[in-house]
Amino acid sequence: DSGVTQTPKHLITATGQRVTLRCSPRSGDLSVYWYQQSLDQGLQFLIQYYNGEERAKGNILERFSAQQFPDLHSELNLSSLELGDSALYFCASSSESGGSPLHFGNGTRLTVT
Amino acid sequence: DQQVKQNSPSLSVQEGRISILNCDYTNSMFDYFLWYKKYPAEGPTFLISISSIKDKNEDGRFTVFLNKSAKHLSLHIVPSQPGDSAVYFCAASATMNYGGATNKLIFGTGTLLAVQP
Repeated sequence: DSGVTQTPKHLITATGQRVTLRCSPRSGDLSVYWYQQSLDQGLQFLIQYYNGEERAKGNILERFSAQQFPDLHSELNLSSLELGDSALYFCASSSESGGSPLHFGNGTRLTVT
Repeated sequence: DQQVKQNSPSLSVQEGRISILNCDYTNSMFDYFLWYKKYPAEGPTFLISISSIKDKNEDGRFTVFLNKSAKHLSLHIVPSQPGDSAVYFCAASATMNYGGATNKLIFGTGTLLAVQP
């Protein structure tokens, strides 16, 4: 158990809809990272938050947004969903210092029909 | 642009033998490298890491080697066990690009390791 909790585990929705994915980091970790894994792809970095502020951004679509709340949990919002957004979405957390591994949750599987 | 590459999609080895998984990178700013293991329906699990100031790091059956001049790293598993069967991801980070403020990882596409009993 990594200590990172993601909900829901599965999500099925229709094109054009909006969903919210939730992540609770490990106790004491201030950084939260979001990754997307599409079929047969590696993990693609989306965005990082550190103590409530955006710290780094990857290839995140404009239809996607994220935030980190004062209790350090994070939410990833996906809107105007398309079939191609179907993927596994992983959240990870780490301690502050550079050179620390990320610890991943078990992901949310999003299926857009 | 694929900054971290795992050119072997799959690898099959016999139980008890050595498994060698390879990874190449292109970004010379990477200074921290990691290997993750992933089972189906689970998130990636951290295995072992190495800083760019070292060329070898060992943890039990797992050893990671780093060749900076070749921009290449490898993971050795000795002896291999059936429970090691999983997808292995190589990842890299340029921690000092942000003054050490991010551990953002760039991942390879993974290698599926099958250890045959």
